Amino acid sequence: DAGITQSPRHKVTETGTPVTLRCHQTENHRYMYWYRQDPGHGLRLIHYSYGVKDTDKGEVSDGYSVSRSKTEDFLLTLESATSSQTSVYFCAISTGPGNSPLHFGNGTRLTVT
Amino acid sequence: QQQVKQSPQSLIVQKGGISIINCAYENTAFDYFPWYQQFPGKGPALLIAIRPDVSEKKEGRFTISFNKSAKQFSLHIMDSQPGDSATYFCAASLGTNAGKSTFGDGTTLTVKP
Repeated sequence: DAGITQSPRHKVTETGTPVTLRCHQTENHRYMYWYRQDPGHGLRLIHYSYGVKDTDKGEVSDGYSVSRSKTEDFLLTLESATSSQTSVYFCAISTGPGNSPLHFGNGTRLTVT
Repeated sequence: QQQVKQSPQSLIVQKGGISIINCAYENTAFDYFPWYQQFPGKGPALLIAIRPDVSEKKEGRFTISFNKSAKQFSLHIMDSQPGDSATYFCAASLGTNAGKSTFGDGTTLTVKP
């Protein structure tokens, strides 16, 4: 698992509530990513970070924000959860720079009712 | 615009047979093409990867074939085993955007005993 821990593993929340998912890594890698996985859509990049306080948007960033105040932690926040954000969320790290594979955590299954 | 198209969506193969999954990409600047394997409840894990300067890479029973002119690459699993039953994702990325991978939609492989 490349030392990646995601929490919580499962969460059910109501529409309109804020939700924060946490990704913690133990190996001090600079590059961290949040992807969402939906049936028929593969994995889509939400946000990514190249270091502390250095974050940027991916292809499906609307409704999400991120923060990275420490190298080891990358937080994903759903500002006001909607049913369309029901998904499995994966955090990943890359040993980069250059082309390096992604190492994923085991995901957080989020259900928005 | 989907930049990486993967087929088939699902595949059933008999034990000992060959499994073939295909991907096509659009962006000719992509320079890293990994395949990931995902088991239920787990994050994707790197299986094998190729760069466009080679046409084939083999690791054990797994082979990537790469056709740069056709902008296609495929995963071949020889002597498929029930333990290979999983979801497989192809991906493509740019070296200048470490880890910002574009994924195919995934192929669910079932190997029947």
